Amino acid sequence: AQSVTQLDSQVPVFEEAPVELRCNYSSSVSVYLFWYVQYPNQGLQLLLKYLSGSTLVKGINGFEAEFNKSQTSFHLRKPSVHISDTAEYFCAVSGAGTASKLTFGTGTRLQVTL
Amino acid sequence: GAVVSQHPSWVICKSGTSVKIECRSLDFQATTMFWYRQFPKQSLMLMATSNEGSKATYEQGVEKDKFLINHASLTLSTLTVTSAHPEDSSFYICSAHGGQGFYNEQFFGPGTRLTVL
Repeated sequence: AQSVTQLDSQVPVFEEAPVELRCNYSSSVSVYLFWYVQYPNQGLQLLLKYLSGSTLVKGINGFEAEFNKSQTSFHLRKPSVHISDTAEYFCAVSGAGTASKLTFGTGTRLQVTL
Repeated sequence: GAVVSQHPSWVICKSGTSVKIECRSLDFQATTMFWYRQFPKQSLMLMATSNEGSKATYEQGVEKDKFLINHASLTLSTLTVTSAHPEDSSFYICSAHGGQGFYNEQFFGPGTRLTVL
């Protein structure tokens, strides 16, 4: 079984500032890792994913994340945020394999202000 | 590509009635579909996994007789909330997986807001 911990329930940040959203996971098997964004009353949109290979993963909207196996982390970063980045962000983990079910973290609310 | 739709996007019903939610993969065949439930300001909780042509696998604590799942084709899965009660009010989200070549990525529908009066 896998589990995901997102330590920060809310992260306030000013526009154009950098941001890091933290995600730690636990698993006894190899994993795939994902970051999703959810805007109010909408489904989830994939930002980026780590399956294998390079530990630095680049995604959409200028986001990137780094897989750190020794620290079991997959933190999401963006060098300069915009107001439009205000949303809920979910980290998720699945076992490495086809159609494995996802386990989500509790989410981090990113609030970008002027 | 890889678009998933849900219908309806919202529904209000009276207590005791049944509600059916459809999840469709529009441009790919989904070998596996997942149903999630999300309470306000909370994370997604997996309810069940459905594979085309077979019975759904429910997560612990999810009543299979209350949440009926049918995956009749490779592009359609339905969730029926039977005898709905106010505590069933929630945001229901489906996702679809396209099998090999999709690297375990699930594509999510836009969600259905269910309100039971």
